[in-house]
Amino acid sequence: GQNIDQPTEMTATEGAIVQINCTYQTSGFNGLFWYQQHAGEAPTFLSYNVLDGLEEKGRFSSFLSRSKGYSYLLLKELQMKDSASYLCAVMDSNYQLIWGAGTKLIIKP
Amino acid sequence: IAGITQAPTSQILAAGRRMTLRCTQDMRHNAMYWYRQDLGLGLRLIHYSNTAGTTGKGEVPDGYSVSRANTDDFPLTLASAVPSQTSVYFCASSVRDSTDTQYFGPGTRLTVL
Repeated sequence: GQNIDQPTEMTATEGAIVQINCTYQTSGFNGLFWYQQHAGEAPTFLSYNVLDGLEEKGRFSSFLSRSKGYSYLLLKELQMKDSASYLCAVMDSNYQLIWGAGTKLIIKP
Repeated sequence: IAGITQAPTSQILAAGRRMTLRCTQDMRHNAMYWYRQDLGLGLRLIHYSNTAGTTGKGEVPDGYSVSRANTDDFPLTLASAVPSQTSVYFCASSVRDSTDTQYFGPGTRLTVL
């Protein structure tokens, strides 16, 4: 079957760096997405990786290794507003998104 | 309208009743999707439409139906609601290009009693 694994919850300190990991097993691969979802709100797009390597967007970076079925989202200079759930999703061979359950990130002052 | 809108924002429904959740987008996106999100589970695809006039079943289609009469609207109907359909429902749309990023509406919180 298809599976996306990510930690359920992580805690980090304001101003620090945190890395959220995602491993996947899917039928085919057509890209990996990271979304941010604040409590009670809709998911919003953060990043897309289809080739191996690191993509940087300001304080957020996303890394992909297709051979290892692995990605991470790196958040730098954490701010209180970064407290949210972070969703990893993989587009499979049918171009459907398979979603992980999300990682709830708690930022402490 | 800017982006995707959903209605209602929330609803409490008696079991056995029929309910239609509305979704409208003004981005002229080809594809639209309906997901449900339950605590501890990832987003699960209910139905999708790659273009106006076509629909397809997702991972959890039973008990739901959709239609896509035009590009902008993609309603989701629960013919006879059951308590297990209590969930948050998100509509999304995408261009269906090479990256196919999906953009989400604000969601509908549905409680079936």
